[in-house]
Amino acid sequence: GESVGLHLPTLSVQEGDNSIINCAYSNSASDYFIWYKQESGKGPQFIIDIRSNMDKRQGQRVTVLLNKTVKHLSLQIAATQPGDSAVYFCAERKNGLTFGKGTHLIIQP
Amino acid sequence: DGGITQSPKYLFRKEGQNVTLSCEQNLNHDAMYWYRQDPGQGLRLIYYSQIVNDFQKGDIAEGYSVSREKKESFPLTVTSAQKNPTAFYLCASSWGRELNTEAFFGQGTRLTVV
Repeated sequence: GESVGLHLPTLSVQEGDNSIINCAYSNSASDYFIWYKQESGKGPQFIIDIRSNMDKRQGQRVTVLLNKTVKHLSLQIAATQPGDSAVYFCAERKNGLTFGKGTHLIIQP
Repeated sequence: DGGITQSPKYLFRKEGQNVTLSCEQNLNHDAMYWYRQDPGQGLRLIYYSQIVNDFQKGDIAEGYSVSREKKESFPLTVTSAQKNPTAFYLCASSWGRELNTEAFFGQGTRLTVV
């Protein structure tokens, strides 16, 4: 999976399936995490966040899971749609926001 | 409309010239940031500012300079000392750097140095 450090460039899923994008973070002192979606040529858009005192947070069609034991973060997108095609970044807050290299989600018809 | 605005969207400059990228926000945010993004890469922090008249270097500040004379404005100058300036530059703002709130991003400026 993606790491704030490793690069997993592409994830391909069928339209209608669920997508899971993973992220490993490095700093156990990080207390806040965000998932962003970036479409081509645009700035990142906030999707969902989670604080370190939580292990799960749900939004509309998205769920973020945080496992502090193994320093792992995941983004689950339910019933993936063509409009979900984008690069997804996780970010951790320690001194400012540190971003991972991104996962490119491709939706197959 | 509230938001964060970067201009211009595309910028071309000759090698050796300084160039300034504009970033304005009307969200009343205290903190502002500049990031650089290279193809297939994540975002790397250049400079950030928590308050007017104060700013700090990020991870890749060499060859860049900033100013924060007004709360709503945080321009970035790419100097001739920056060895590889061609990139996509993103400005962001948030309520406070120490607060657990997300950063809002502008739409970016794509700088090409020829």
